Amino acid sequence: EPEVTQTPSHQVTQMGQEVILRCVPISNHLYFYWYRQILGQKVEFLVSFYNNEISEKSEIFDDQFSVERPDGSNFTLKIRSTKLEDSAMYFCASRSRGFDRETQYFGPGTRLLVL
Amino acid sequence: GNSVTQMEGPVTLSEEAFLTINCTYTATGYPSLFWYVQYPGEGLQLLLKATKADDKGSNKGFEATYRKETTSFHLEKGSVQVSDSAVYFCAPGSSNAGGTSYGKLTFGQGTILTVHP
Repeated sequence: EPEVTQTPSHQVTQMGQEVILRCVPISNHLYFYWYRQILGQKVEFLVSFYNNEISEKSEIFDDQFSVERPDGSNFTLKIRSTKLEDSAMYFCASRSRGFDRETQYFGPGTRLLVL
Repeated sequence: GNSVTQMEGPVTLSEEAFLTINCTYTATGYPSLFWYVQYPGEGLQLLLKATKADDKGSNKGFEATYRKETTSFHLEKGSVQVSDSAVYFCAPGSSNAGGTSYGKLTFGQGTILTVHP
């Protein structure tokens, strides 16, 4: 069964460093998302991406964040200068345009720890 | 934007007990509704969904009915198992006025369920 994959599973970084979180969505999906979950809190939407551009972003997704689909398979989230409060689990999700188009399928997440 | 009020936990039950986790939402239009489950140490998995009013989503013995009049999507299971111990999230999708946009999900705060033997 196709699934969304994410790398790395865990990342530890120093405050102020840049991090890139990687996702490989399900191959025929066209819509891509990033969410995050700070420990003990609810899952929050960050950004959605379609047709090589951002279709919606939340207030959290400020100038320190960017997304990219550098090739036909990867979808990345970059945090330019990490802050302590960026420590969270980051989930990538994707959905199709056809059958089952309303359902987002999530990856296993990347746990980011900023020290 | 959308908002979700989900029953607070944690919920602790004995095996074979009946489970209800309440979820109400506010939304523009008529969004699709989802329950996701997060097992310990894992990511989010779709549990069930309903895409229009009065639809019932079901999976693994869990059920939830899309109630437009009460804007609710309560999760139920008649007999829980130890393996159902997880965090459950209610999440409406977003929709435009025409109901054809399937955008971001808005998650509830999650309900921790623990089932004892």
